[in-house]
Amino acid sequence: LAKTTQPISMDSYEGQEVNITCSHNNIATNDYITWYQQFPSQGPRFIIQGYKTKVTNEVASLFIPADRKSSTLSLPRVSLSDTAVYYCLVGEHSWGKLQFGAGTQVVVTP
Amino acid sequence: DGGITQSPKYLFRKEGQNVTLSCEQNLNHDAMYWYRQDPGQGLRLIYYSQIVNDFQKGDIAEGYSVSREKKESFPLTVTSAQKNPTAFYLCASFVNTGELFFGEGSRLTVL
Repeated sequence: LAKTTQPISMDSYEGQEVNITCSHNNIATNDYITWYQQFPSQGPRFIIQGYKTKVTNEVASLFIPADRKSSTLSLPRVSLSDTAVYYCLVGEHSWGKLQFGAGTQVVVTP
Repeated sequence: DGGITQSPKYLFRKEGQNVTLSCEQNLNHDAMYWYRQDPGQGLRLIYYSQIVNDFQKGDIAEGYSVSREKKESFPLTVTSAQKNPTAFYLCASFVNTGELFFGEGSRLTVL
């Protein structure tokens, strides 16, 4: 299973773009990269998933370089409600051992 | 509505007691997971189950037990062997598009 490394915390102001990079040097060929958001005392919720290049949805973009050894979650124009912990998860679409890293605490201030 | 239901939301336990946390899903997902989260920490995998009547240990299974008699249900028992059980417990189911669906969690406090 690919181990992931993320920054412990990041601070931002409202309206700015936040980019969180996750390192996963031993990612396997069949692994996908999935990002989750967690608010205090709640379960994480799915944000975005990708395999290579760039994926965009209504809330975020995910950039994956050709070597796939890292990925960057981009949150455009953050608001106070984006203050949360963000987790990068790497694994196959099979039902295996899904392990989370420590996550990145993002704090957005006015 | 489809989803994951965990109960109780809050639970208090005396030392030496076993307690069982309920997790039910109506999403028709085969795989289910239990995670533990301590304050300010990430999620740690306790047990997971890929099909009925089968489950696997995660990274911190000691002091916990599970069963998977029905597809919809994956209860977690915190036994007296778990020396530091105070934590936030999260149950999830997994769909093969790669997404975990989480419940709202159960907060266990040992008195």
